[in-house]
Amino acid sequence: EADIYQTPRYLVIGTGKKITLECSQTMGHDKMYWYQQDPGMELHLIHYSYGVNSTEKGDLSSESTVSRIRTEHFPLTLESARPSHTSQYLCASSQTAHYEQYFGPGTRLTVT
Amino acid sequence: SQKIEQNSEALNIQEGKTATLTCNYTNYSPAYLQWYRQDPGRGPVFLLLIRENEKEKRKERLKVTFDTTLKQSLFHITASQPADSATYLCALASSGSARQLTFGSGTQLTVLP
Repeated sequence: EADIYQTPRYLVIGTGKKITLECSQTMGHDKMYWYQQDPGMELHLIHYSYGVNSTEKGDLSSESTVSRIRTEHFPLTLESARPSHTSQYLCASSQTAHYEQYFGPGTRLTVT
Repeated sequence: SQKIEQNSEALNIQEGKTATLTCNYTNYSPAYLQWYRQDPGRGPVFLLLIRENEKEKRKERLKVTFDTTLKQSLFHITASQPADSATYLCALASSGSARQLTFGSGTQLTVLP
């Protein structure tokens, strides 16, 4: 079992609220990723990081932002949640020299 | 544009049979291809990685083939069990410094007892 954690697992929140989804890993991996996945659909990369103070946007445009101040921590923030943000958000990490990614359990976000 | 296609229909097979899942890609030159398993409400779990210069990879009851001429990977589960029921995702990565993965939408496999 991979040591990568996400909190909260489920979140229901009203429109306009600011939210932060937490992701932590204890494997010392340099690379971390955020994906968005709707039911029955493919994962879309929204943000990634190759190390501390390094963040990049992914293929899918997202209104969220991320930070990487510590190796083990890669939080995602939505300044003003909207119903269109309703989705599952998955965090993953990998070692630089290896290509397999280890995923957290995901956060199911519902914006009402 | 780049595209990854997996079996469009869900796959139902009888316990003990071999399940074969397909991953086709277009407009891609992947350096390697990966297969993941995803259970409902959970994150994907890595299963196997195969590189562009490898034809076949095995791990216990799992076998992956990679044909860069046909632009296709096949994923086999032999002696399938009901516990193998899940969605299986293929993911491709190109060479280069980015090495990001692009995922297919997955094939839902159900193994019937």
